[in-house]
Formats: sequence, C-alpha cells, structure tokens
Amino acid sequence: DQQVKQNSPSLSVQEGRISILNCDYTNSMFDYFLWYKKYPAEGPTFLISISSIKDKNEDGRFTVFLNKSAKHLSLHIVPSQPGDSAVYFCAAIPVNFGNEKLTFGTGTRLTIIP
Amino acid sequence: SAVISQKPSRDICQRGTSLTIQCQVDSQVTMMFWYRQQPGQSLTLIATANQGSEATYESGFVIDKFPISRPNLTFSTLTVSNMSPEDSSIYLCSAGQPLSYNEQFFGPGTRLTVL
Repeated sequence: DQQVKQNSPSLSVQEGRISILNCDYTNSMFDYFLWYKKYPAEGPTFLISISSIKDKNEDGRFTVFLNKSAKHLSLHIVPSQPGDSAVYFCAAIPVNFGNEKLTFGTGTRLTIIP
Repeated sequence: SAVISQKPSRDICQRGTSLTIQCQVDSQVTMMFWYRQQPGQSLTLIATANQGSEATYESGFVIDKFPISRPNLTFSTLTVSNMSPEDSSIYLCSAGQPLSYNEQFFGPGTRLTVL
C-alpha cells in the first residue's frame, strides 16, 4: 500500500518557467512533510519541508504548499534552472514524536530544458 | 551537517552469496537507518540500526535476511544474505538526530546487482 504517491514519474519544463511537482498521501497520521532532491549516484538531499500547521513554506526559489483536507502537497520551483534537473521525492513523517521514520513517494524525474 | 560514506558503491554478486555494506558517518549520530530503493520504486525503510542493541526491522524485512550491526555511533553495516535477483536494488544508509527531521542525511548508496 503506497501511502505517499507521486503520480507523475517524469516532468519536463523549460528553463525559467515554473516547475510544479505534486504529491498525495493517504495516511492522516502524517504530520510533517519533506521534499528531497536526488542526483544520479548520490543520496537524496533535503530541500524543503512543511509542518501540517502551515499551508505554505518558502525558501528562495522553492515553495511547498500543503492542502491538508485534500491530503495533497506540491513543490513549486521558480524560476527553473538546469541544475534543478534531478529526481524529487516527497516524504512524510507521522504524528509520533521521536519516530523519525520517513515514508517516501516514488519520485518524479524533473528535466529542465535549456 | 553529516557526511556519510558507503562501501562498496556498487557490486555484482552471484545468487546465494552474501554482501556486507558499510556505512560510515563523519560525526556521532543517534539514529541510523537502512533503506532500499528497487528499480522504479520509492525508498523503503528496511530497519533502524540501534547502537548496542538489535536493529528494529520494518514489516516485510527480517534479521536473518538483512542482519545489521551498529557497534558505535558513527558506523553500521547491512548484510544482504543468500541473495536472489530480487535483491537487486540500491541500498542507502541515513543518519540523523532525534526530532531533527530536516537533518536526516543520506549516503550515496550501494548499487547491488544479483545475477
């Protein structure tokens, strides 16, 4: 049972435009959400996160939106740059402080076209 | 931040053999985890490596198949035992501190191919 879903396995975006990556979850116990970026032959690196008490978190070119009622979050990258080409994973942590176990989505491969 | 290294970076193994993957962190960390990423799939947590005690395994993973050691706060090993082609995956270790959700750092992964 895939509790965190990224329904778009791949996405291509023109350089300078907005990239929007989507993520849905089914477990209402998830309370904290993270986005990771992964380059080939490297481990995932943390990008941005959001707590369920917020609906938006911004960090430079990256903004994450959370719609808790729809169990949906999205990552916006504006403007998109060639270095953003990577696989993006969303991940979730349940309401259980001290439990740092991440549940990952399947990932979306983002390609930025110069 | 923590820098994590893994050995080997990749290996090709024969069915029925075992492989031990090492994970080294450049600083002491409370929590270490082992994940598997099968082709086209998400990262799936195998187990939490506990220092000085037995690892805590997730549903679907057992100690006989994936024995884990954690002798100190900077090092852990994962053994993939009696391998079959279905074990072909990328295996990643990660490390972090309790409640520091944003600061779980990952190693580069070990790409395992079982023939």
